[in-house]
Parts: sequence; C-alpha cells; structure tokens
Amino acid sequence: DVKVTQSSRYLVKRTGEKVFLECVQDMDHENMFWYRQDPGLGLRLIYFSYDVKMKEKGDIPEGYSVSREKKERFSLILESASTNQTSMYLCASSLSGGDAYEQYFGPGTRLTVT
Amino acid sequence: AQKITQTQPGMFVQEKEAVTLDCTYDTSDPSYGLFWYKQPSSGEMIFLIYQGSYDQQNATEGRYSLNFQKARKSANLVISASQLGDSAMYFCAMREGQYGATNKLIFGTGTLLAVQP
Repeated sequence: DVKVTQSSRYLVKRTGEKVFLECVQDMDHENMFWYRQDPGLGLRLIYFSYDVKMKEKGDIPEGYSVSREKKERFSLILESASTNQTSMYLCASSLSGGDAYEQYFGPGTRLTVT
Repeated sequence: AQKITQTQPGMFVQEKEAVTLDCTYDTSDPSYGLFWYKQPSSGEMIFLIYQGSYDQQNATEGRYSLNFQKARKSANLVISASQLGDSAMYFCAMREGQYGATNKLIFGTGTLLAVQP
C-alpha cells in the first residue's frame, strides 16, 4: 500500500521560531510537493522537487524553503515562523513522465503559529 | 494563465440521489489532465478520477463519472447514488502539458458536499 507520511499532525510554534515539516514517501516517486491549504483558497503550491537536490518554487514560496537530500524525504522549512503561516500543510508525491499519474497525499500537518 | 474554478462553495444532496459538482478550467495548452480529489473531515486527500484532454470518452470509476465538455472547458464530477460517506470537500485539479514530468497540479477552491439521510 502506497504511503506518504508527515512528521506531525498538529504543531504549535511561536513567532520567530524555525520550523521543520518532514515528509517521507515509500513509493520511490521522483516528484514531491508541499502545499498549504486555507479555507476558501484551496491548495496552493509552495515548492516542489522533481529529483534529489532539485527544487522549484511554486506559487507562494515566500517565507519558506525546502530540502531534498534523499529521494524519499522532502522537508519544508519556515525560517522564521509568522502568524500568517498558520495553516494546514500537505505533502504529496507522484511518479513522473505519465499523463495520468496522480499525486498521493500525506495526512497533513496543522500548524499554528502564536 | 491556467486556472481552475469551482463556483459551488457548498452543496446538499439527499442520500441515494445523484449530484454534480462543477469545475471549469482555463488553459492554452492543448494537452492537459484533470483530476478530482475527495477530502473527508479527517483531512487526507483521496484521488477519485482522471480525465486526459485527448481522451475520447468520459472517465468513470465506480459511482464517479466525469462529464468532460472540452469546448466549454468544463469537467464536472457526477456522483451517483450518494452515500453518507460521500460527505466531504471535493477538489478539482489540472495538470498542464503532455507527460508532465513534474505532474504539478493547480487546484480549485473546493466544494463542500453534505449528504443528508
């Protein structure tokens, strides 16, 4: 059974803290993604990675960075957390090179920054 | 610019009835793919169905079917015989490009479906 796991379901951090969100997939997928989900806005892509050490900015990269040192792991980093980064964060992975390859999602991390 | 629009923030349907969730898209790429995902209250995103822009027939997966009208740029999800477990948020998403290497998706804002007994 395919699986994407995220390090925490719920996280509470203080303003200015450095925050790490970890995502691991066991499907040997090339592509990995980080989204944030806010009510009324749907899912918005923060960053994605199509190979180890490769990354590209998504639609809302400001305030975030990512790291992919191993194929199965994709980390999202909030260098200095702010209250407007309170959100649900979803990680996903997919194969590359095929039309119908869907993305597989993790359970999400609900981050609250106080 | 590529865009997905879901105009129904919320919908009600009676159990056992069919329901259509609307999705329109905008793209200038002749090759694209359309996806529907379900997100129950537990939060996980579940893939439901896929339609490719060159597919001649509408996609179907069990009780889910996709009413694909290319000229109108619409890709509505039809759920037949609704069940209480269908209550969830539903997202329409689009991937541009053929054999998209990165499979990057653009999501709509979602429709919250409530199935009433």
